[in-house]
Amino acid sequence: DQQVKQNSPSLSVQEGRISILNCDYTNSMFDYFLWYKKYPAEGPTFLISISSIKDKNEDGRFTVFLNKSAKHLSLHIVPSQPGDSAVYFCAARASGSARQLTFGSGTQLTVLP
Amino acid sequence: GAGVSQSPSNKVTEKGKDVELRCDPISGHTALYWYRQSLGQGLEFLIYFQGNSAPDKSGLPSDRFSAERTGGSVSTLTIQRTQQEDSAVYLCASSLAAMNTGELFFGEGSRLTVL
Repeated sequence: DQQVKQNSPSLSVQEGRISILNCDYTNSMFDYFLWYKKYPAEGPTFLISISSIKDKNEDGRFTVFLNKSAKHLSLHIVPSQPGDSAVYFCAARASGSARQLTFGSGTQLTVLP
Repeated sequence: GAGVSQSPSNKVTEKGKDVELRCDPISGHTALYWYRQSLGQGLEFLIYFQGNSAPDKSGLPSDRFSAERTGGSVSTLTIQRTQQEDSAVYLCASSLAAMNTGELFFGEGSRLTVL
């Protein structure tokens, strides 16, 4: 039973355009959400996070939106750059459970020059 | 080094053999996690260590899997009598305390292939 789902295994966008990566979750106890980026042969690195008390968090070219009623979050990258090409993982943490993150299966983003 | 260090980076073994994977977390990080990523799957939680507390082993898939953390620093993940379905990238991560900000720092992973 996947509690965090990334239904698009891959996404291609043109350089300079917006990339939108989507994530859905089923556990209503999740209260903190994160995005990680992973390059080949490297470990995932933290990108941006959002608490359930917010609906938007922005950091430079990266913005995460949270829609709690729909149990959906998205990561927007604008403008997209070739260096953004990587696998993006959505992750969630349940309230009262600081011990582990539940990850989605990832989306491979390719930004075409 | 400044980051999480894992060894070996690649391990090929025969079915039925035991393997040990090592993780050296970032100095000063009290929390240590093991995850694994099978082909086409997300990161699957295995085990969590926090200071001197009893580890959270709830993610270990079978009793063939075990992990230790000696002296609150280096951790070893042991897989006994390996099976082909154990083939995956095993990722170690560490964080300050119990992940107050949710941010984990990952190593590069150990790719295990069981023939």
